[in-house]
Amino acid sequence: RKEVEQDPGPFNVPEGATVAFNCTYSNSASQSFFWYRQDCRKEPKLLMSVYSSGNEDGRFTAQLNRASQYISLLIRDSKLSDSATYLCVVNARGGGNKLTFGTGTQLKVEL
Amino acid sequence: EAGVAQSPRYKIIEKRQSVAFWCNPISGHATLYWYQQILGQGPKLLIQFQNNGVVDDSQLPKDRFSAERLKGVDSTLKIQPAKLEDSAVYLCASSLRGGSNTGELFFGEGSRLTVL
Repeated sequence: RKEVEQDPGPFNVPEGATVAFNCTYSNSASQSFFWYRQDCRKEPKLLMSVYSSGNEDGRFTAQLNRASQYISLLIRDSKLSDSATYLCVVNARGGGNKLTFGTGTQLKVEL
Repeated sequence: EAGVAQSPRYKIIEKRQSVAFWCNPISGHATLYWYQQILGQGPKLLIQFQNNGVVDDSQLPKDRFSAERLKGVDSTLKIQPAKLEDSAVYLCASSLRGGSNTGELFFGEGSRLTVL
Protein backbone atom coordinates (compact mmCIF):
# COMPACT_ATOMS: atom_id res chain seq x y z
CA ARG A 1 0.00 0.00 0.00
CA LYS A 2 1.33 3.45 -0.85
CA GLU A 3 2.11 5.78 2.04
CA VAL A 4 -0.11 8.50 0.60
CA GLU A 5 -2.85 7.75 -1.92
CA GLN A 6 -4.87 10.14 -4.05
CA ASP A 7 -7.26 9.82 -6.97
CA PRO A 8 -5.16 11.15 -9.88
CA GLY A 9 -8.17 12.56 -11.73
CA PRO A 10 -8.41 14.61 -13.83
CA PHE A 11 -11.40 16.33 -12.32
CA ASN A 12 -12.99 18.52 -15.00
CA VAL A 13 -15.44 20.97 -13.45
CA PRO A 14 -17.23 24.12 -14.65
CA GLU A 15 -16.30 27.48 -13.24
CA GLY A 16 -18.18 28.13 -10.01
CA ALA A 17 -18.49 24.48 -9.06
CA THR A 18 -17.52 22.96 -5.74
CA VAL A 19 -15.01 20.15 -5.91
CA ALA A 20 -13.54 17.88 -3.25
CA PHE A 21 -10.32 15.88 -3.24
CA ASN A 22 -9.58 13.01 -0.92
CA CYS A 23 -6.36 11.52 0.33
CA THR A 24 -5.58 8.53 2.55
CA TYR A 25 -2.36 7.79 4.39
CA SER A 26 -1.03 4.51 5.71
CA ASN A 27 1.19 5.51 8.64
CA SER A 28 -0.93 6.01 11.75
CA ALA A 29 2.05 7.76 13.40
CA SER A 30 1.79 10.63 10.90
CA GLN A 31 1.74 13.93 12.74
CA SER A 32 1.10 16.71 10.30
CA PHE A 33 -0.61 17.13 6.98
CA PHE A 34 -0.57 19.62 4.14
CA TRP A 35 -1.90 20.38 0.71
CA TYR A 36 0.48 21.65 -1.94
CA ARG A 37 -0.43 23.04 -5.34
CA GLN A 38 1.61 22.41 -8.47
CA ASP A 39 0.93 24.26 -11.70
CA CYS A 40 1.85 22.61 -14.99
CA ARG A 41 5.63 22.40 -15.39
CA LYS A 42 6.16 24.43 -12.23
CA GLU A 43 7.40 23.63 -8.74
CA PRO A 44 5.06 22.64 -5.88
CA LYS A 45 4.01 25.37 -3.46
CA LEU A 46 2.36 25.09 -0.05
CA LEU A 47 -1.38 25.75 -0.28
CA MET A 48 -2.41 25.13 3.31
CA SER A 49 -1.82 23.05 6.40
CA VAL A 50 -4.48 20.63 7.62
CA TYR A 51 -5.41 20.84 11.29
CA SER A 52 -7.33 18.31 13.36
CA SER A 53 -10.16 20.76 13.89
CA GLY A 54 -10.36 21.52 10.18
CA ASN A 55 -9.38 24.85 8.72
CA GLU A 56 -10.51 27.25 6.07
CA ASP A 57 -8.69 29.75 3.89
CA GLY A 58 -11.06 31.70 1.70
CA ARG A 59 -12.63 29.28 -0.78
CA PHE A 60 -10.48 26.39 0.44
CA THR A 61 -11.36 24.08 3.34
CA ALA A 62 -9.16 21.26 4.60
CA GLN A 63 -10.24 18.51 6.96
CA LEU A 64 -8.52 15.64 8.72
CA ASN A 65 -9.99 12.39 10.04
CA ARG A 66 -7.29 10.64 12.05
CA ALA A 67 -9.42 7.61 12.85
CA SER A 68 -9.91 6.89 9.14
CA GLN A 69 -6.47 8.26 8.16
CA TYR A 70 -8.16 10.49 5.64
CA ILE A 71 -7.59 14.08 4.52
CA SER A 72 -9.78 16.19 2.29
CA LEU A 73 -9.62 19.48 0.40
CA LEU A 74 -12.77 21.32 -0.65
CA ILE A 75 -12.70 24.14 -3.18
CA ARG A 76 -15.81 26.28 -3.44
CA ASP A 77 -16.73 28.59 -6.32
CA SER A 78 -13.84 27.25 -8.39
CA LYS A 79 -11.99 29.64 -10.71
CA LEU A 80 -10.13 29.00 -13.95
CA SER A 81 -6.96 29.87 -12.04
CA ASP A 82 -7.55 26.94 -9.67
CA SER A 83 -6.58 24.56 -12.48
CA ALA A 84 -3.53 22.72 -11.18
CA THR A 85 -2.44 19.49 -9.52
CA TYR A 86 -3.14 19.27 -5.80
CA LEU A 87 -0.64 17.22 -3.81
CA CYS A 88 -1.49 15.67 -0.46
CA VAL A 89 1.55 15.71 1.84
CA VAL A 90 2.08 13.82 5.08
CA ASN A 91 4.80 14.22 7.67
CA ALA A 92 5.43 11.02 9.62
CA ARG A 93 7.42 12.08 12.66
CA GLY A 94 8.39 8.50 13.28
CA GLY A 95 10.04 8.64 9.87
CA GLY A 96 12.42 11.45 10.81
CA ASN A 97 10.25 14.41 9.87
CA LYS A 98 10.13 13.37 6.27
CA LEU A 99 7.45 14.89 4.03
CA THR A 100 5.86 12.26 1.79
CA PHE A 101 3.94 13.45 -1.25
CA GLY A 102 0.98 11.77 -2.88
CA THR A 103 0.79 11.44 -6.66
CA GLY A 104 -1.48 14.45 -6.89
CA THR A 105 -5.00 15.07 -8.18
CA GLN A 106 -5.32 17.08 -11.36
CA LEU A 107 -8.07 19.72 -11.49
CA LYS A 108 -9.23 21.42 -14.68
CA VAL A 109 -11.73 24.23 -14.29
CA GLU A 110 -13.53 25.04 -17.53
CA LEU A 111 -15.73 27.89 -18.75
CA GLU B 1 14.26 37.50 -1.11
CA ALA B 2 15.93 35.19 -3.60
CA GLY B 3 14.37 31.76 -3.98
CA VAL B 4 15.97 28.36 -4.40
CA ALA B 5 18.26 28.37 -7.43
CA GLN B 6 18.90 25.30 -9.52
CA SER B 7 20.93 24.56 -12.62
CA PRO B 8 20.86 23.43 -15.29
CA ARG B 9 17.14 23.77 -16.07
CA TYR B 10 17.30 21.13 -18.78
CA LYS B 11 19.73 18.34 -19.56
CA ILE B 12 19.63 15.63 -22.22
CA ILE B 13 22.13 12.78 -21.99
CA GLU B 14 22.50 9.25 -23.24
CA LYS B 15 22.21 6.28 -20.93
CA ARG B 16 25.40 5.39 -19.08
CA GLN B 17 26.58 9.01 -19.18
CA SER B 18 26.88 11.09 -16.03
CA VAL B 19 25.16 14.31 -14.99
CA ALA B 20 25.34 16.72 -12.08
CA PHE B 21 22.76 19.16 -10.75
CA TRP B 22 23.44 22.13 -8.54
CA CYS B 23 21.26 23.80 -5.93
CA ASN B 24 21.61 26.97 -3.90
CA PRO B 25 18.98 27.14 -1.14
CA ILE B 26 17.38 30.20 0.38
CA SER B 27 19.85 32.00 2.59
CA GLY B 28 19.65 30.83 6.19
CA HIS B 29 17.74 27.63 5.44
CA ALA B 30 19.39 24.80 7.32
CA THR B 31 17.54 21.94 5.67
CA LEU B 32 17.96 21.00 2.02
CA TYR B 33 16.13 18.31 0.11
CA TRP B 34 16.48 16.65 -3.28
CA TYR B 35 13.30 15.19 -4.73
CA GLN B 36 12.78 13.21 -7.92
CA GLN B 37 9.50 13.77 -9.76
CA ILE B 38 8.69 11.40 -12.59
CA LEU B 39 5.97 12.53 -15.00
CA GLY B 40 2.51 11.89 -13.54
CA GLN B 41 3.81 11.16 -10.06
CA GLY B 42 4.36 13.14 -6.90
CA PRO B 43 7.83 14.19 -5.76
CA LYS B 44 9.85 11.40 -4.12
CA LEU B 45 12.46 12.29 -1.52
CA LEU B 46 15.96 11.22 -2.50
CA ILE B 47 18.00 12.82 0.25
CA GLN B 48 17.60 15.32 3.09
CA PHE B 49 20.44 17.35 4.59
CA GLN B 50 20.44 19.23 7.88
CA ASN B 51 23.27 21.73 7.47
CA ASN B 52 25.95 19.51 5.90
CA GLY B 53 24.86 16.24 7.51
CA VAL B 54 22.59 13.63 5.91
CA VAL B 55 19.29 13.14 7.74
CA ASP B 56 17.64 10.68 5.35
CA ASP B 57 18.94 9.02 2.20
CA SER B 58 16.93 5.82 2.44
CA GLN B 59 15.44 6.22 -1.04
CA LEU B 60 18.63 7.31 -2.80
CA PRO B 61 19.88 4.64 -5.26
CA LYS B 62 23.39 4.76 -3.89
CA ASP B 63 24.89 2.59 -6.61
CA ARG B 64 24.42 5.44 -9.08
CA PHE B 65 23.29 8.55 -7.21
CA SER B 66 25.39 10.67 -4.89
CA ALA B 67 24.82 14.01 -3.23
CA GLU B 68 26.84 16.34 -1.10
CA ARG B 69 26.33 19.61 0.71
CA LEU B 70 29.71 21.01 1.49
CA LYS B 71 29.83 23.88 3.99
CA GLY B 72 26.12 23.47 4.64
CA VAL B 73 25.00 25.74 1.81
CA ASP B 74 25.08 24.67 -1.86
CA SER B 75 24.45 21.10 -2.85
CA THR B 76 25.13 18.91 -5.86
CA LEU B 77 23.34 15.76 -6.95
CA LYS B 78 25.17 13.43 -9.31
CA ILE B 79 23.98 10.48 -11.35
CA GLN B 80 26.56 8.09 -12.75
CA PRO B 81 25.81 6.11 -14.86
CA ALA B 82 22.36 7.30 -15.87
CA LYS B 83 19.57 4.90 -16.82
CA LEU B 84 16.48 5.53 -18.92
CA GLU B 85 14.28 5.42 -15.81
CA ASP B 86 16.19 8.37 -14.33
CA SER B 87 14.35 10.68 -16.73
CA ALA B 88 12.54 13.03 -14.37
CA VAL B 89 12.54 16.50 -12.86
CA TYR B 90 14.98 16.84 -9.98
CA LEU B 91 13.63 19.32 -7.48
CA CYS B 92 15.69 20.95 -4.80
CA ALA B 93 13.89 22.40 -1.80
CA SER B 94 14.90 24.11 1.41
CA SER B 95 13.30 24.96 4.73
CA LEU B 96 14.31 26.84 7.85
CA ARG B 97 14.27 23.72 9.97
CA GLY B 98 13.16 20.22 9.18
CA GLY B 99 9.90 21.32 7.66
CA SER B 100 8.06 19.56 10.44
CA ASN B 101 6.60 22.64 12.09
CA THR B 102 5.08 24.46 9.16
CA GLY B 103 5.45 21.85 6.44
CA GLU B 104 6.60 24.60 4.15
CA LEU B 105 9.30 23.62 1.74
CA PHE B 106 10.46 26.15 -0.81
CA PHE B 107 11.18 24.47 -4.11
CA GLY B 108 13.39 25.53 -6.96
CA GLU B 109 12.13 25.38 -10.53
CA GLY B 110 13.75 22.00 -11.01
CA SER B 111 16.21 20.41 -13.39
CA ARG B 112 14.53 18.39 -16.12
CA LEU B 113 16.60 15.37 -17.14
CA THR B 114 15.98 13.32 -20.26
CA VAL B 115 17.99 10.11 -20.67
CA LEU B 116 18.02 8.70 -24.21
